Amino acid sequence: GQSLEQPSEVTAVEGAIVQINCTYQTSGFYGLSWYQQHDGGAPTFLSYNALDGLEETGRFSSFLSRSDSYGYLLLQELQMKDSASYFCAVGSNTGGFKTIFGAGTRLFVKA
Amino acid sequence: DAGVIQSPRHEVTEMGQEVTLRCKPISGHDYLFWYRQTMMRGLELLIYFNNNVPIDDSGMPEDRFSAKMPNASFSTLKIQPSEPRDSAVYFCASTTGGAGELFFGEGSRLTVL
Repeated sequence: GQSLEQPSEVTAVEGAIVQINCTYQTSGFYGLSWYQQHDGGAPTFLSYNALDGLEETGRFSSFLSRSDSYGYLLLQELQMKDSASYFCAVGSNTGGFKTIFGAGTRLFVKA
Repeated sequence: DAGVIQSPRHEVTEMGQEVTLRCKPISGHDYLFWYRQTMMRGLELLIYFNNNVPIDDSGMPEDRFSAKMPNASFSTLKIQPSEPRDSAVYFCASTTGGAGELFFGEGSRLTVL
């Protein structure tokens, strides 16, 4: 089966940097994704790591260590609009390709 | 591109009624996923299709739930009979190749009274 762990809640101030960690256990792992979801909205894709290392997309970066079954999402220059839920998700190719989501981390950005 | 289109956006029904949720994936995408989101259980994968064929339905809660994909541009998720514990937001998502980015629809918010 699959399991993912991430903090339930993080609070940070505007302009700061925040890191959201994710540890996972899965068979047939092929990649780690991150999604953002605002209240009442749909999850939207932020980043994807298939290989170890850091991927940077604007203010957002994502890191993966396959040997540690660990990844993180780094958000820089936080803005109020970044207040949302952030989900890590593992891709598994056991019995086909599928994506399993963690419980999500609620990020509160304060002025 | 119009994105993934789901209908209805909101549905309120009474226990015991049949509910049908619909999804049109992005043209050209060969994978379609149905997820359910609740506060208690988060985003659960219910079932997914590859080239219109169901691949894994192990997340479907029970026999009251069924899903079909008669062609590449349409899928349905049916609940019959519905129960209050089925109240949730149901998301459809599609992608190509299986890995990487999932494109989600806006979701169908179901309330069963």
